[in-house]
Amino acid sequence: AQKITQTQPGMFVQEKEAVTLDCTYDTSDQSYGLFWYKQPSSGEMIFLIYQGSYDEQNATEGRYSLNFQKARKSANLVISASQLGDSAMYFCAMREGGNTGRRALTFGSGTRLQVQP
Amino acid sequence: DGGITQSPKYLFRKEGQNVTLSCEQNLNHDAMYWYRQDPGQGLRLIYYSQIVNDFQKGDIAEGYSVSREKKESFPLTVTSAQKNPTAFYLCASSGNRGIYSNQPQHFGDGTRLSIL
Repeated sequence: AQKITQTQPGMFVQEKEAVTLDCTYDTSDQSYGLFWYKQPSSGEMIFLIYQGSYDEQNATEGRYSLNFQKARKSANLVISASQLGDSAMYFCAMREGGNTGRRALTFGSGTRLQVQP
Repeated sequence: DGGITQSPKYLFRKEGQNVTLSCEQNLNHDAMYWYRQDPGQGLRLIYYSQIVNDFQKGDIAEGYSVSREKKESFPLTVTSAQKNPTAFYLCASSGNRGIYSNQPQHFGDGTRLSIL
């Protein structure tokens, strides 16, 4: 069974500083995808960044980058130059590979990030 | 604009009552999903559908039912058999370009269900 682990229930960061949110995963599949989503207090899920298991380069999207270490099965999200609007819950998720046809995401328990002025 | 619409935003259920949560998408996506989120926790998969007229149970399907009669719509019914229905329910959709696709799931704004 696949599993996503986010060990940091809450994180604080000063505005304009960088922060790393940890995510480790467990899968026996060779093909999989890793996603990070942001959930503000209003509840919607906002897609941030994607990393495929065969991607050789770490993914980047603006201020977001993904530190992908396949051998260690980790996919940490790095947010550079934090802004007050970054305060939210952040979820790491994995899409299953294989031939099951199920493409749903398995989510971690999330990290609540608070950006302080 | 294309997106996913969930309604209602808030819903209250009486004991022994079935309630239906609506999810409509105009993104022309083949796959649709229902997730449940309990306070302070991640999302758990209830049901998913890869194509019209077909759907599969997720990890916590007991006490829930779905239908997929149209590509755009994937309603979720919370039955009286679901003894702890209070949660935040999120509907999502995605294209079906293959498991290697970087297509994210797009989410609706959710429905908060409470017991009266």
